[in-house]
Amino acid sequence: NAGVTQTPKFQVLKTGQSMTLQCAQDMNHNSMYWYRQDPGMGLRLIYYSASEGTTDKGEVPNGYNVSRLNKREFSLRLESAAPSQTSVYFCASSELGQGAYEQYFGPGTRLTVT
Amino acid sequence: GNSVTQMEGPVTLSEEAFLTINCTYTATGYPSLFWYVQYPGEGLQLLLKATKADDKGSNKGFEATYRKETTSFHLEKGSVQVSDSAVYFCALYWKIKYQLIWGAGTKLIIKP
Repeated sequence: NAGVTQTPKFQVLKTGQSMTLQCAQDMNHNSMYWYRQDPGMGLRLIYYSASEGTTDKGEVPNGYNVSRLNKREFSLRLESAAPSQTSVYFCASSELGQGAYEQYFGPGTRLTVT
Repeated sequence: GNSVTQMEGPVTLSEEAFLTINCTYTATGYPSLFWYVQYPGEGLQLLLKATKADDKGSNKGFEATYRKETTSFHLEKGSVQVSDSAVYFCALYWKIKYQLIWGAGTKLIIKP
């Protein structure tokens, strides 16, 4: 049981390049999330998917797109990377309906855009 | 709207000191409350939780009590260790949007 996995762990992009961050969970959770973490700003929600087939914008969606490929996988795409997207990206999953609503996190992807 | 406010860090303590990290929230109703911990280079993991007023969450020697009257969920530990050095996040569950609302995080540094 691997939990939440993310690839790649590290990535360096040039401005204007595109890339897709991959996330998969093996806990059969319905909900999945993409966050970015910047120094002094805590976690900010980019997009989330409450259940398979649905996606919604979070607090900072501009410059990103997502795909909920199936129940297990939720990818984040940067179409034209900008230096402001340099950050650490975390994927998380959760099961709706649990009383305390715990989220499980992946190890993160550290992205640098030059 | 819903929000979470944590004390600013870093908080620097000596080993075996008493720890308090303050967390207050603004929300309608009675949200579930959480503390997450992030060790260096890792993702976040749940430390403890409380789902209703007066509940006490506890784990690994850490405790937090859900105080409705003061809208607070302060994290405490009686005797910290160097291994407790990490960033601690307070969060509340916003049911309508299926989201967690996060505090900014508090970095804790424990010196031997």
